[in-house]
Amino acid sequence: AQSVAQPEDQVNVAEGNPLTVKCTYSVSGNPYLFWYVQYPNRGLQFLLKYITGDNLVKGSYGFEAEFNKSQTSFHLKKPSALVSDSALYFCAVRDDLYNFNKFYFGSGTKLNVKP
Amino acid sequence: DAGVTQSPTHLIKTRGQQVTLRCSPKSGHDTVSWYQQALGQGPQFIFQYYEEEERQRGNFPDRFSGHQFPNYSSELNVNALLLGDSALYLCASSLPRNTEAFFGQGTRLTVV
Repeated sequence: AQSVAQPEDQVNVAEGNPLTVKCTYSVSGNPYLFWYVQYPNRGLQFLLKYITGDNLVKGSYGFEAEFNKSQTSFHLKKPSALVSDSALYFCAVRDDLYNFNKFYFGSGTKLNVKP
Repeated sequence: DAGVTQSPTHLIKTRGQQVTLRCSPKSGHDTVSWYQQALGQGPQFIFQYYEEEERQRGNFPDRFSGHQFPNYSSELNVNALLLGDSALYLCASSLPRNTEAFFGQGTRLTVV
């Protein structure tokens, strides 16, 4: 069975500092990993994905994520946080890349960026 | 280009009632998935429709049913509402062999 864990309910960081939001996964086959962001009263917005290839994936709004197979992790990172980055972040894994897929989401991490 | 649109945005229902939520996928997308996001939790997969058929289903009771129309839009129906059905219901659309899914803004259902 596929699953995702986000060990931190909340991450606090000062504006301008680097941020990391952690995610670990468990899959029975190849991992297809995603990060989504959710602003208040909004749906989920796609940030980035890892399918194959380079372990460092670059995404929207300056975010990047590092895939680590040995540690089964896919942590989200940004070199310099903005107050506008404050939102709820979800890590997700898919169990099949091409056929009638579904996402397994983590419980979410609330990112607070303080001025 | 309109993204995924859902209606209504908010809804209040009484226990035991039935509700229908609607979703129009992103232009060109033919696959629609529904997710339930309870407060403080991540979205959970309900089911997915492609070519007007349910293709995959998550661990939800038969009270949850759906439909997809020829124009790819979709409905989620929930019968005999329970207080625990209160949640944000998200619709996502994609192409069946595309890695990304695009989500709507959701319908906030409150059961009282």
